[in-house]
Amino acid sequence: DSGVTQTPKHLITATGQRVTLRCSPRSGDLSVYWYQQSLDQGLQFLIQYYNGEERAKGNILERFSAQQFPDLHSELNLSSLELGDSALYFCASSGLGGIGELFFGEGSRLTVL
Amino acid sequence: AQTVTQSQPEMSVQEAETVTLSCTYDTSENNYYLFWYKQPPSRQMILVIRQEAYKQQNATENRFSVNFQKAAKSFSLKISDSQLGDTAMYFCALNTPLVFGKGTRLSVIA
Repeated sequence: DSGVTQTPKHLITATGQRVTLRCSPRSGDLSVYWYQQSLDQGLQFLIQYYNGEERAKGNILERFSAQQFPDLHSELNLSSLELGDSALYFCASSGLGGIGELFFGEGSRLTVL
Repeated sequence: AQTVTQSQPEMSVQEAETVTLSCTYDTSENNYYLFWYKQPPSRQMILVIRQEAYKQQNATENRFSVNFQKAAKSFSLKISDSQLGDTAMYFCALNTPLVFGKGTRLSVIA
């Protein structure tokens, strides 16, 4: 158990819809990262938050947005969903004293029909 | 831009044998960290081993060790005494936020 909690574990929705994925980092970790893993692909970095502020941005579509709340949990919002957005979305966290190691949640599997 | 390349999409190894997974990377940073993550069929991402670039000594974690060649920007993973439970996708990654390679699918055969 990494200590990172993601909900929901599975989500099925239709094209054009909007969903929200939620992540609770490990206790004490200030940084939260979101990654997208499409079928049999590597992990694509989407965005990083540190203590409530956006720290780094990767290949995140304009239809996607994220935020980190004062209690440090984070949400990834995906809107106007397309078939190609079907993927496993990972949240990860890291602590200030870490050396870059990320602790991953179990992922949220999104299926867009 | 930082890049990570894993040139072996799939590999297989007999149980109890040794296998080496390759990884090359590119970065303009002088101080950085490299990681190998394992993703078994459960899809959970599990850290296998990490290496700090400023350390010349290669990292070792039980049956897992790395061959870190900084000048060549190479970071290979050696798995000794392979076990069936080692069957997984293995991803090489660089720095934070982590940039991942596309992975190597390793199958351990009984």
